[in-house]
Amino acid sequence: QLQLQESGPGLVKPSETLSLTCTVSGDSITSTNSHWGWIRQPPGKGLEWIGNIYYSGNTHYNPSLKSRVTLSVDTSKNQLSLKLTSVTAADTAVYYCARRARDSSGSYPIDYWGQGTLVTVSS
Amino acid sequence: EIVLTQSPGTLSLSPGERATLSCRASQSFSSTYLAWYQHKPGRAPRLLIYGASSRATGIPDRFSGSGSGTDFTLTISRLEPEDFAVYYCQQYFTSPLTFGGGTKVEIK
Repeated sequence: QLQLQESGPGLVKPSETLSLTCTVSGDSITSTNSHWGWIRQPPGKGLEWIGNIYYSGNTHYNPSLKSRVTLSVDTSKNQLSLKLTSVTAADTAVYYCARRARDSSGSYPIDYWGQGTLVTVSS
Repeated sequence: EIVLTQSPGTLSLSPGERATLSCRASQSFSSTYLAWYQHKPGRAPRLLIYGASSRATGIPDRFSGSGSGTDFTLTISRLEPEDFAVYYCQQYFTSPLTFGGGTKVEIK
C-alpha cells in the first residue's frame, strides 16, 4: 500500500523559505512509471498544482510559482522535497504531496495523495 | 491555462439518490486527461475516475464518469452514507495542471 507522508514546520515567517519533505513508502521514488509532486489548498479556496519531478531531476512547475519553487528528490531516503522562497500570508495552505503514475493510455493522473500538512505564514 | 468550472457548488441529496456532477472546461481537450477525486476533511483526496471514464482501483461501480471535449460528468448512481464529500475534477492534459472549484455533496 503506497503511503505519502508530508512533514515540516507548521509555521513560517513572512519572507522566509517554506521547506517540506514527503516520505514515500510502498513504492520506489525511482520508479520509471511515476512522477512525484506537490499540490496546495489555501483555507477556503481551491486546489493549486505546484509542480512535479521525475526521479532523474526533471521538473515541471506552475508558472505562477516557478520563480519561487524548487522541487528535489533524495533517492537514498525515498523522499521528495519542496522549497518555496519569500513566502507571504497568501502561501498559507494545506500542502499535499502526490504521485502521478502512468496509466494504460500512457498518461499520468494523480493516483495517490498524502494527507496534507497545514503551513501557516505568520510573524 | 485550462479553467475548469464545476456545478453545482453544493448538491443536497439523500442516501440512495442519484448525484450528477458537472465539470466544464474553458477549452477542449482529450478525455484521456480528465480525472475526478473525492475529498473528505482531514483525509487524502482519493482518485475515483481517470481518463474521464475509467474507475480507479477499488472504486465501487456506483461511480461513473463520462464526457468529452469541454463537458464532463461524474455520476454516483445511489448515494451511500460514505459518499458525502467534496468532489473535484482535474485536467492533466496541459501544464499547469488545474482543478475545478469542487462540488460539495451534502446530506439533505
